[in-house]
Amino acid sequence: DIQMTQSPSSLSASVGDRVTITCRASQGISNYLAWFQQKPGKAPKSLIYAASSLQSGVPSKFSGSGSGTDFTLTISSLQPEDFATYYCQQYNSYPWTFGQGTKVEIK
Amino acid sequence: EVQLVESGGGLVQPGRSLRLSCTASGFTFGDYAMSWVRQAPGKGLEWVGFIRSKAYGGTTEYAASVKGRFTISRDDSKSIAYLQMNSLKTEDTAVYYCTRDSGYYGSGSYWYYYYMDVWGKGTTVTVSS
Repeated sequence: DIQMTQSPSSLSASVGDRVTITCRASQGISNYLAWFQQKPGKAPKSLIYAASSLQSGVPSKFSGSGSGTDFTLTISSLQPEDFATYYCQQYNSYPWTFGQGTKVEIK
Repeated sequence: EVQLVESGGGLVQPGRSLRLSCTASGFTFGDYAMSWVRQAPGKGLEWVGFIRSKAYGGTTEYAASVKGRFTISRDDSKSIAYLQMNSLKTEDTAVYYCTRDSGYYGSGSYWYYYYMDVWGKGTTVTVSS
């Protein structure tokens, strides 16, 4: 199975900050990577697929990059509604696997 | 509006069975693959399994932790995906989400890749005696 490792596991940031979350795959997955946002008590929301393609309706402050084993999710200017847990997930091969999550908290 | 609604969750004893349903609306259900993802209390997301559309064979894939115990099926006439869970264990306690999966051919590839794009709100399954 492909292991997905996110860093950091949590971070504190202020409104307006630029935030970057890293996701590393245990083997190459080309660009078959998605990112999700989950707020407490809510279902996850799809943000990005194919490493850098925004899902419909997702604001452009979210961006993704990377290929192979190393990927990043960037939030250009953090807003109050962005405080949440973010997960990466590979769909290169079965079983699909998720990172452990990165919790973005208010500083 | 595209919507997925899970139902069928509840409290069940270890070793028993439960069937979850995912009712879709707002899109042509038969054109899409569907997945189930679960989240144990206080934990991260775990992919459970997946069913392709009939156009791509309607075949399934499963996580090792549920293979042989869980079965995913679909009824395109009713726009419902099912998750049949047998021989339930306490570690199956989780919120279960269904997702709609879109797909595309990989660049320079013969393989068709799927990604989750729409999520339901989830249904809670508690396995306890």
